Amino acid sequence: AQSVTQPDIHITVSEGASLELRCNYSYGATPYLFWYVQSPGQGLQLLLKYFSGDTLVQGIKGFEAEFKRSQSSFNLRKPSVHWSDAAEYFCAVGADNNDMRFGAGTRLTVKP
Amino acid sequence: DVKVTQSSRYLVKRTGEKVFLECVQDMDHENMFWYRQDPGLGLRLIYFSYDVKMKEKGDIPEGYSVSREKKERFSLILESASTNQTSMYLCASRGSLKGYTFGSGTRLTVV
Repeated sequence: AQSVTQPDIHITVSEGASLELRCNYSYGATPYLFWYVQSPGQGLQLLLKYFSGDTLVQGIKGFEAEFKRSQSSFNLRKPSVHWSDAAEYFCAVGADNNDMRFGAGTRLTVKP
Repeated sequence: DVKVTQSSRYLVKRTGEKVFLECVQDMDHENMFWYRQDPGLGLRLIYFSYDVKMKEKGDIPEGYSVSREKKERFSLILESASTNQTSMYLCASRGSLKGYTFGSGTRLTVV
């Protein structure tokens, strides 16, 4: 069965600094990988997804993620964080005809 | 855009009550899911459904049941609510793997 690990429970960065959120997955076949963001009191919004092809995926709000099969990772990055990026971020793995599994989430705090 | 609507944003129920959480999607999706979200645990899958009247257990089905009488509606039922079921409940809908859409969530408090 697939599983997802987000090693960082909470990360604090300064506004304007770069950001990397880590995600490692376990899955027997080629996974479909996702990053979602959840603002306080809101549902989950899809930031980006990877199914195949180019391993560097561009998403909304200036985010990108890179799939590294050798490391079983799908880390989320942003070159310059904005205060509005403060939220909780979830990595998820799924497969065709299968449901998704989520990581425990990483809460991002942005310092002025 | 696909819309997934959860009927209540906040609910407070008493221990032992039977609780219904409703979810409706408007895009004729076959697949619907119920997750619960708890701090430090992320989202955990309770039940899902691939078609009307079909249901499958997820990772934590104990204490819950579901109903899918119509394609657009997927209900989560707490047969006898307990305090450890206090949580945020999220419904999701999927037409294809690329099309997961979540509702805004229902925060349930059991007292």
